[in-house]
Amino acid sequence: KQEVTQIPAALSVPEGENLVLNCSFTDSAIYNLQWFRQDPGKGLTSLLLIQSSQREQTSGRLNASLDKSSGRSTLYIAASQPGDSATYLCAVRPRESGGYNKLIFGAGTRLAVHP
Amino acid sequence: GAGVSQTPSNKVTEKGKYVELRCDPISGHTALYWYRQSLGQGPEFLIYFQGTGAADDSGLPNDRFFAVRPEGSVSTLKIQRTERGDSAVYLCASSLSRPGEQYFGPGTRLTVT
Repeated sequence: KQEVTQIPAALSVPEGENLVLNCSFTDSAIYNLQWFRQDPGKGLTSLLLIQSSQREQTSGRLNASLDKSSGRSTLYIAASQPGDSATYLCAVRPRESGGYNKLIFGAGTRLAVHP
Repeated sequence: GAGVSQTPSNKVTEKGKYVELRCDPISGHTALYWYRQSLGQGPEFLIYFQGTGAADDSGLPNDRFFAVRPEGSVSTLKIQRTERGDSAVYLCASSLSRPGEQYFGPGTRLTVT
């Protein structure tokens, strides 16, 4: 059974720092991996999607890497800003039969960037 | 264009009552998903529709939960005889095709008292 773990559960940093959020998954048979942002009381906003054949994706100050064989992904945020404060969720789409249909999520990393 | 919308945004109901939660997917998206998110946790898959049919309902916790999508667009999640443990945020997502990127709505916060 696929399980997704995110470390740390919470993180507080001063503005301007570069930071790394970690995601690990137990089964390397995945179709893709997606990083989301969730603001309090809001839905999920997709940040980056990495196909299983890709090693990384970049969008602005965000860079996500994928090492499928070791079951790890990292989300790198450069020059963090207070507006980056949110919960960041990692999700995998498993390749198991029927697994195309669902995302398996981690519990998230709650990020606070203070001025 | 318009994103995924969900109504109501908040629903408070008494234990034992019946509730319906509505999801309007992005126009043209054939795949629709329901997830449930408890406090401090990531979303958990409930059910997936491809067109009008429920192609995968393996995440529904029990037979009190049911969902429909009669015309292949709007979907309704129905919960009978609600219990306090059903309290959560119910999220809907849609995608253009089955393995495509999922776009999420703002969710419905359900509170069962």
